[in-house]
This record gives sequence, structure tokens and C-alpha cells, in this order.
Amino acid sequence: DAGVIQSPRHEVTEMGQEVTLRCKPISGHNSLFWYRQTMMRGLELLIYFNNNVPIDDSGMPEDRFSAKMPNASFSTLKIQPSEPRDSAVYFCASSLVAEPYSYNEQFFGPGTRLTVL
Amino acid sequence: AQTVTQSQPEMSVQEAETVTLSCTYDTSESDYYLFWYKQPPSRQMILVIRQEAYKQQNATENRFSVNFQKAAKSFSLKISDSQLGDAAMYFCAYRSPYNNNDMRFGAGTRLTVKP
Repeated sequence: DAGVIQSPRHEVTEMGQEVTLRCKPISGHNSLFWYRQTMMRGLELLIYFNNNVPIDDSGMPEDRFSAKMPNASFSTLKIQPSEPRDSAVYFCASSLVAEPYSYNEQFFGPGTRLTVL
Repeated sequence: AQTVTQSQPEMSVQEAETVTLSCTYDTSESDYYLFWYKQPPSRQMILVIRQEAYKQQNATENRFSVNFQKAAKSFSLKISDSQLGDAAMYFCAYRSPYNNNDMRFGAGTRLTVKP
């Protein structure tokens, strides 16, 4: 398996522009996570999907951020309009949650480095 | 809420020597999972080792081992025979078994390996 795939790897945009980050989870995984990594705040969970349904989006910073998972093999994280403080590395991770309360490893993608000028 | 603390922002070790990275956490749960992730310059998050809280035996993966002290809520990572390829950011993480999305990460420790 190719692992979790994210695109683009790098994105540079200007303030006010719309940014769309993409993620393809590992085939067969039923949970997907979006994280943001910054020097100031470390790794933060933004949103979590289970079976394509958003379960917890309490980590989404504000209404400018939205995430979708139209099917089991694709998810997007959109920022509109983007601001310089959104500059960070955004990670997507996937997991197979076979049973509740069991160990379910999260596999991370390579991340997208976003720079908003 | 659970918190994870890594008190060493940076650590340095000589090649072939041993280094220990510290991690403490705060929780009221009795069962949970603990992890160490490695993030090299490529940014890829790589799982190094994991520990289930109900297991008393410390986890070991080749040159990597942990010292899990449940009562002290401490989970340190020992890297033996350090190699240049071990240079990376290391993150300690906690996850509740009751909430699969609740993964808490420490701030990270940057490890430098000197040749």
C-alpha cells in the first residue's frame, strides 16, 4: 500500500485566497484525521471522520475552515479565506477502527506545508 | 483533560551512545495508550514504539525501549547505540481507549546526533 497520500506537499498562497488540501487514506481504513502542526501550538487535531461522517470538529479553528469526506478514499480540508496565521504543516492520518476500545494505529501522511503570505 | 509534557526541547547525543527522552502525562484514566513518534526532516510522522497502560512490561523495539512508570505517569524513550539517522523530532503521545480521536501530543524534543 502507498500509505496516506496528501497533496500538494507545499502550497504558497496569498492572504484571502482559497486553499484546498487533499488526502487519500489507506485503502480499507474507516477513520480519517486532520491535524495542524505549528511551532507555537504543536500538533492539534482539527477534525475526525468515522465512516466518512464528521464526528468531532471541535478543533477546527473557525468558520474559515471546512472539511469534507465525500467517500472512503478522499477528503479535503479547505480554508477560505486564508490568513497568514494559517501557515502551518497540515497532516492527514487514517486508521482502521476494528473494535471500540482497542488499539488502532494512526498512519500519517507526509503533510502539506502551507505558507500564506 | 489529558496533557502530555516533554520538558526537553532539545537533546544531543554522540553517535553510538545512549540517550533518554522524557515524557510525562496527566490523566485520570486507568487504561490508555502511549506512543513515541519520530518526525525526521521529511516531516513524515513515524510510529517508533507504543505501550498499553495495562501492560507492566516495558515495550522494546530493537534499539528503542521505554521506561513506563504508571504511578509516576512517566513514559521515557531510550535510544541505544544512537545512529545519525535517529536525528529527528520526537513526539510523545497519549490516547484514550474510550475515544479514538483523542490523541494528545507533547511539544516534541529535537534530537541531534553528533558523529
